Amino acid sequence: SQQGEEDPQALSIQEGENATMNCSYKTSINNLQWYRQNSGRGLVHLILIRSNEREKHSGRLRVTLDTSKKSSSLLITASRAADTASYFCATDPDSNYQLIWGAGTKLIIKP
Amino acid sequence: NAGVMQNPRHLVRRRGQEARLRCSPMKGHSHVYWYRQLPEEGLKFMVYLQKENIIDESGMPKERFSAEFPKEGPSILRIQQVVRGDSAAYFCASSPSDPSEAFFGQGTRLTVV
Repeated sequence: SQQGEEDPQALSIQEGENATMNCSYKTSINNLQWYRQNSGRGLVHLILIRSNEREKHSGRLRVTLDTSKKSSSLLITASRAADTASYFCATDPDSNYQLIWGAGTKLIIKP
Repeated sequence: NAGVMQNPRHLVRRRGQEARLRCSPMKGHSHVYWYRQLPEEGLKFMVYLQKENIIDESGMPKERFSAEFPKEGPSILRIQQVVRGDSAAYFCASSPSDPSEAFFGQGTRLTVV
């Protein structure tokens, strides 16, 4: 079964609003990463948060990690049309070297 | 330092043909990972290779699929006798060691007609 599960599956908001996506996972991890994928394109690495970190910022992105709840959230502030994409979380379980991916959240920013 | 290079970017094959997907890792990276992404889904691990060795192929179908990473040259993912269900995006990633430091290529989109 999938390690990471994002929710919501799809999110549609107005430009300028904040977008929050969540990721839950099942096993203990070394770290968790968020990626963006524009429609039919490659993967863009956004941010990595390690298991001993609780929050991390990068520009308009804010990621939190709660290892007790095995969940993470990605917040995009002041959204732009160019943020329209699918967002995936990927975990690096501490018992394995594979990256385990969720099915993604499809984010649509309406102008 | 060029990124992970995959080619071709798009590949169309008829049912029953062979597909060969290439991945050149970043310079200095000796670990290669292949993932498959079906439409509207996340990536699924297929195989992990180091130079001349397959470390873990647990995610790869037992039949028709094979992978190699020779001492010289790119890593190759080979799919024999392709079927429509093989249509997907295939991503390669490379890392110096830690998979969390893996860099992804742009992917090869395979369409089987």
